[in-house]
Amino acid sequence: QVQLVQSGSELKKPGASVKVSCKASGYTFTSYAMNWVRQAPGKGLEWMGWINTNTGNPTYAQAFTGRFVFSLDTSVSTAYLQINSLKTDDTAVYYCARSWHGFDLWGQGTLVTVSS
Amino acid sequence: EIVLTQSPGTLSLSPGERVTLSCRASQSVSTSYLAWYQHKPGQAPRLLIYGASSRATGIPDRFSGSGSGTDFTLTISRLEPEDFAVYYCQRYGISPYTFGQGTKLEIK
Repeated sequence: QVQLVQSGSELKKPGASVKVSCKASGYTFTSYAMNWVRQAPGKGLEWMGWINTNTGNPTYAQAFTGRFVFSLDTSVSTAYLQINSLKTDDTAVYYCARSWHGFDLWGQGTLVTVSS
Repeated sequence: EIVLTQSPGTLSLSPGERVTLSCRASQSVSTSYLAWYQHKPGQAPRLLIYGASSRATGIPDRFSGSGSGTDFTLTISRLEPEDFAVYYCQRYGISPYTFGQGTKLEIK
């Protein structure tokens, strides 16, 4: 079954770090780029950037440079999003999404809550 | 950076009606790289249309996309109860892959 399965919800304090995983199955992981998309509470979808699953080279949207890190472990077909120095404004649902013609396969989303 | 503006922000309609959603780009977008998504609360977004007018796998033919240049539309020919959701357009293919702010389709 072709799917992306993300790790579970996280509750973190401001200043901490979080790492969200996105495990692909049912297709060749390195054949498609992987994107990350954020949805803050009550807001729309925001593209965070993408990672080349062949080279591991990440590209970040302008609003997501500095504290956000995309990485891969191709041996287990998994992409990761790490957010450092968490702020309360980082509270959101984070989605991974495969891109081909548009974003045709999405993970179920991971809720990250940042609260003291 | 291309900005996508969707209108209207919210639409209140009844099942069975026809609806057209608008997505306007601040600069010309290649038709190869315009997509539409449906997003329901608690679910992952779902790709409806790519390449401005091609339906994604499994998408019913009541959904259709059209447009070119800076003006694109998503039409739902006859609303079903499960179609009430938020719809987003997106420019992809060339970074940044911008989303519009969304149109909420609600039941009247």
